[in-house]
Amino acid sequence: DAGVTQSPTHLIKTRGQQVTLRCSPISGHKSVSWYQQVLGQGPQFIFQYYEKEERGRGNFPDRFSARQFPNYSSELNVNALLLGDSALYLCASSPQGAHGSPLHFGNGTRLTVT
Amino acid sequence: AQTVTQSQPEMSVQEAETVTLSCTYDTSESDYYLFWYKQPPSRQMILVIRQEAYKQQNATENRFSVNFQKAAKSFSLKISDSQLGDAAMYFCAYRSVYMGGGADGLTFGKGTHLIIQP
Repeated sequence: DAGVTQSPTHLIKTRGQQVTLRCSPISGHKSVSWYQQVLGQGPQFIFQYYEKEERGRGNFPDRFSARQFPNYSSELNVNALLLGDSALYLCASSPQGAHGSPLHFGNGTRLTVT
Repeated sequence: AQTVTQSQPEMSVQEAETVTLSCTYDTSESDYYLFWYKQPPSRQMILVIRQEAYKQQNATENRFSVNFQKAAKSFSLKISDSQLGDAAMYFCAYRSVYMGGGADGLTFGKGTHLIIQP
């Protein structure tokens, strides 16, 4: 079975631009979460979606938004990019929204903002 | 808000030896989940082991085991018979059982870089 897939693998953007990152969960998984991992730090929670509804949001500005589609895939959008948005963006899926469900992570999208 | 602290930025161990990675956390909640994740250079976070706070028995997965001390808010990971493939960043993480209030995701520590010496 395919794992969590994220695209693109790498991305370079300029300050002020907008970016969309994509994630396909493991087949049968209905919950998708997004995390930001700045170099040298642990991942930080951005969003969780379950059954196409937002279930949780971390401490990120409104420039960050996400959505989940009927096939449970998800997109993370970041507007008005700042240099500080440069990071590895990780997507994770789980079978259900319960907090004890182990998360299965993708390989991430490396975003560089210049 | 919950915090997770990993006080060892880097640890080194000889192949086949045993190593323990430390993790402490701060919470006012009585029920929660704790995790150890491994992140090799491939960047993918891989679940190593999970502990439910209401269970007193320490979780074990093959060569990996934890020492969960709830009163001390400590959750260390022991790796026995270390192998070259264990080399990676290891992250300790906390997750609340309660929904909403921004407490829905995993809270990670800063990680420990584990080096395996052949």
